[in-house]
Amino acid sequence: EAQVTQNPRYLITVTGKKLTVTCSQNMNHEYMSWYRQDPGLGLRQIYYSMNVEVTDKGDVPEGYKVSRKEKRNFPLILESPSPNQTSLYFCASSYSSGRATYEQYFGPGTRLTVT
Amino acid sequence: QKEVEQDPGPLSVPEGAIVSLNCTYSNSAFQYFMWYRQYSRKGPELLMYTYSSGNKEDGRFTAQVDKSSKYISLFIRDSQPSDSATYLCAMSRASGSRLTFGEGTQLTVNP
Repeated sequence: EAQVTQNPRYLITVTGKKLTVTCSQNMNHEYMSWYRQDPGLGLRQIYYSMNVEVTDKGDVPEGYKVSRKEKRNFPLILESPSPNQTSLYFCASSYSSGRATYEQYFGPGTRLTVT
Repeated sequence: QKEVEQDPGPLSVPEGAIVSLNCTYSNSAFQYFMWYRQYSRKGPELLMYTYSSGNKEDGRFTAQVDKSSKYISLFIRDSQPSDSATYLCAMSRASGSRLTFGEGTQLTVNP
């Protein structure tokens, strides 16, 4: 089954404790992206990657890191999480950056709470 | 001011009703217009997209874009309880550019 998977689905952590949210897709997509979804603000892009070893900042990159060492994986790293990073996170992928303009496949989401 | 405005609802309608969901935007450079559907505890999934102005129909769903008014709509005919979800509009300027999402409208269709 073609899909985007994220782990963990739910995470409660404390301020300052480094964490990684994994994202993997099995569709051989070139483009991958991370979003956060907050009430009243909608979905906002954190980082994106147009291909292996190519990443760039989205709208809200502060406090996050990413890497793209393999085509299928795009982990999101929070080096020192803070309470304002409490949110619902989505990973997405698309065949290409051009196709990503209008069609992205989203993972099931990771609900992160930072206390 | 947000680039994309969408009434968050909630919107509750009886089964069989025609539903109209709308977004307005301020950036006249937007060329691609999308509607995503998000079920509870799931990620968004693409429902329809339109390039530039005009209408697009897919089964019970019709997307309309009016660039002169900076206004887009999604119509759902003969709504079903399975249509209960949050509907997100999204827009982008050009091929390869980022998406700007509305905050979503929560829809409930009551049997």
